Amino acid sequence: AQKVTQAQTEISVVEKEDVTLDCVYETRDTTYYLFWYKQPPSGELVFLIRRNSFDEQNEISGRYSWNFQKSTSSFNFTITASQVVDSAVYFCALISGKGNTDKLIFGTGTRLQVFP
Amino acid sequence: DAGVIQSPRHEVTEMGQEVTLRCKPISGHNSLFWYRQTMMRGLELLIYFNNNVPIDDSGMPEDRFSAKMPNASFSTLKIQPSEPRDSAVYFCASSPTGGWGQPQHFGDGTRLSIL
Repeated sequence: AQKVTQAQTEISVVEKEDVTLDCVYETRDTTYYLFWYKQPPSGELVFLIRRNSFDEQNEISGRYSWNFQKSTSSFNFTITASQVVDSAVYFCALISGKGNTDKLIFGTGTRLQVFP
Repeated sequence: DAGVIQSPRHEVTEMGQEVTLRCKPISGHNSLFWYRQTMMRGLELLIYFNNNVPIDDSGMPEDRFSAKMPNASFSTLKIQPSEPRDSAVYFCASSPTGGWGQPQHFGDGTRLSIL
């Protein structure tokens, strides 16, 4: 069975702090993709990043960075020098079972509040 | 480029009425997904289509829900008759060709309230 766990329900930080959002996934498949989405207070879901199971290189995009570790089945997301505009719910998601399904399995989300 | 377009943005209706939600996927995308988001259940996949064909409708709650995709640029999700427990935000998403595992791009959602 596939599963995504985001154990942190809510995180509050003060602006300029670094914050890491945890994501742990479960799958028996060797081929899979992991995703992060952002849902700001306005409600839309915004795609942030996709990572495939064969690429464990970490990725940095501006203040955002992602750490993918197959050994611990984790795909954590770090925001450096957080800003108020980063306040949102962040979802980690998994798609696995190549050729069998396009179904995206979402975690329950982590609500990040950044205070000025 | 235009993203996924959903209409209406908000819908308030009385129990028992038929509700139709509409979605226009991103041009050239061949997969379309309908999701429902509630506080209690989070994001749930209801149904998805590949090349206009329904592939997996196991998430559709019951027979009151139906979805169609008559062509590559339009899909509907219908609830008949509606019930208060159907109140939720409904999202449509599409993903492009180019191999399995493409990212899904979401519309702004329809906030549905059934009184």
